[in-house]
Amino acid sequence: KQEVTQIPAALSVPEGENLVLNCSFTDSAIYNLQWFRQDPGKGLTSLLLIQSSQREQTSGRLNASLDKSSGRSTLYIAASQPGDSATYLCAVCGHTDKLIFGTGTRLQVFP
Amino acid sequence: EPEVTQTPSHQVTQMGQEVILRCVPISNHLYFYWYRQILGQKVEFLVSFYNNEISEKSEIFDDQFSVERPDGSNFTLKIRSTKLEDSAMYFCASSGTVSGNTIYFGEGSWLTVV
Repeated sequence: KQEVTQIPAALSVPEGENLVLNCSFTDSAIYNLQWFRQDPGKGLTSLLLIQSSQREQTSGRLNASLDKSSGRSTLYIAASQPGDSATYLCAVCGHTDKLIFGTGTRLQVFP
Repeated sequence: EPEVTQTPSHQVTQMGQEVILRCVPISNHLYFYWYRQILGQKVEFLVSFYNNEISEKSEIFDDQFSVERPDGSNFTLKIRSTKLEDSAMYFCASSGTVSGNTIYFGEGSWLTVV
């Protein structure tokens, strides 16, 4: 059974820092991995999708990497801003068409 | 940018009542999903729907739940005889293909059962 874990659970940093959020999964037989952002009481905003054949994806200040064989993905946020404060979720898609989510990393960036 | 829309954004219902949550997926998408998130817990898969039938459902999705695509645009989740533990945020999602494309989520419907 696929299990997805995210560390740290919470992170509080000053503005401008570069951040690394970690996601690990137990079953490497995935089709893709998706990173989401969730603001309090809101929906899930897709940030990046990495296919199983890819090593990384970039969008603006965000870079996500995938090491399928070791069951790990990282989300790198460059030059963090207060507007980046949110919960970041990773989710893996396996041989069925459902996403398995991690518990998230709650990020606070203070000015 | 196309988006998944959900109504209502918040509903309070009495235990034992039936609730229908509505979703309008992105117009050219073919795969539709419902997920839920109990406060403070992980987002959990409920059901996926393709070609007018359920393609997969979780253990949570028992006889109390049903989904329907009554017309070409709406996708609904019906919860019969609601229980206190059904209180959660329910997310609708859609994608263009399975396992290859980004899955887009709506803003959610917050259900409170009292």
